[in-house]
Formats: sequence, structure tokens, C-alpha cells
Amino acid sequence: GNSVTQMEGPVTLSEEAFLTINCTYTATGYPSLFWYVQYPGEGLQLLLKATKADDKGSNKGFEATYRKETTSFHLEKGSVQVSDSAVYFCALSAPNTGNQFYFGTGTSLTVIP
Amino acid sequence: DAGVTQSPTHLIKTRGQHVTLRCSPISGHKSVSWYQQVLGQGPQFIFQYYEKEERGRGNFPDRFSARQFPNYSSELNVNALLLGDSALYLCASSSSLGSTDTQYFGPGTRLTVL
Repeated sequence: GNSVTQMEGPVTLSEEAFLTINCTYTATGYPSLFWYVQYPGEGLQLLLKATKADDKGSNKGFEATYRKETTSFHLEKGSVQVSDSAVYFCALSAPNTGNQFYFGTGTSLTVIP
Repeated sequence: DAGVTQSPTHLIKTRGQHVTLRCSPISGHKSVSWYQQVLGQGPQFIFQYYEKEERGRGNFPDRFSARQFPNYSSELNVNALLLGDSALYLCASSSSLGSTDTQYFGPGTRLTVL
């Protein structure tokens, strides 16, 4: 089946610290992988995506590389800001399932000044 | 262009009642999906519609139903509400059914069942 496993939170970092949020997946076929961010009281916003192995998605200083050999899509940022405080969701969309998304449980990030 | 819109923003119902949630996709998008997000969890897939036809259904009881209209907007209906139906209901739209297509989410409808 298709599933996503995310690093447990919550994560608390000081401003300018390095961020890694781990994400691994199980999927039939070759999925597309996504990171979404959710700010308090809001819906999900796409942060970045990668649609094939070795692709690197990047946006707003965040990066994630699609690693087929380790079935991983870890999210990284070199220097976090207070405004990055949010919940981050890893998700996949597998072939032959239409456009259905499978989400991880989310990782809450708090960045303190 | 406007993003995905959902109404209402918040809703309070009592057990046993019925609720209808509405969603308008991004202009030009023909696919609408519905997700349930319980507090502290990731979104769970409920339904997907494309060109007014149901294309996918998650593991939810028959109390949940949905439809898509000719203008591609969609409604999610939940009958005989239970306390456990309290959640944020998210609508997402995409241009097609390809697995590489991004889903764009609305702000959600917060349903509270008392």
C-alpha cells in the first residue's frame, strides 16, 4: 500500500539553526512527493515537490531530494526564521490512484528568537 | 486568480444532524478532492471527483457523500453526524488526475459536532 512516515514532533529550534524533518514513504510504483506547510488556522500550502528520483524540490530556502534507494524525501533548511513556525506535512501521490494524496501525520516546528 | 474557496468557515452542529460543505476550485481545474483533518493528524482522503464523476473514495462510511456540479464546484454531505466527525474539512483542486499534479488546498471548514 501507500503510506508516509514523518519524524515525530514537536521540533523547537533557535533562529538561524539548521532544520531537518525526516520523511520516508512506501508506495506502489514511482510516486510524486510533496511537502506542504500549514500555518495556524489555515489550509495547506504547497512548499515544494519532486516527481522523479534524484529530483530536488526547492522553495523559500527549503529543499528536499527524492531518494528512491532510501525511499526518503527529507526536508531541510539552512537557517530557519521565526516566520517558519508552522506544521509541515510530507505527502505522496502514487500512479494509478488518480490524484489521491497520502499524508504523514505532520511535524510541528517552533522557531524561537 | 482566486484560489480554492470553501464555505462556511466554521460550523457547529449537534449529533444526528446533517451538514453540507461547499467548495469552488481554482478556475480551469476539473478535479476536486475532499480530505478530513482531525486535530493533530494529517489529512485523510475522503473523495475525489473529476468531470462530475467520482474517481476515488477513501475509507469513510456511507454517511459521507459528495457530488460535483457542471461548473466543477463540489459539495460534501455528511448525514447522522457523530462526535468523531468533528474536524477540519479540506477541499483541494487540481487540473487533472495525474500523480504529478499538485493539489491546491482551500482554507477548510471547521466542523464541530456537539
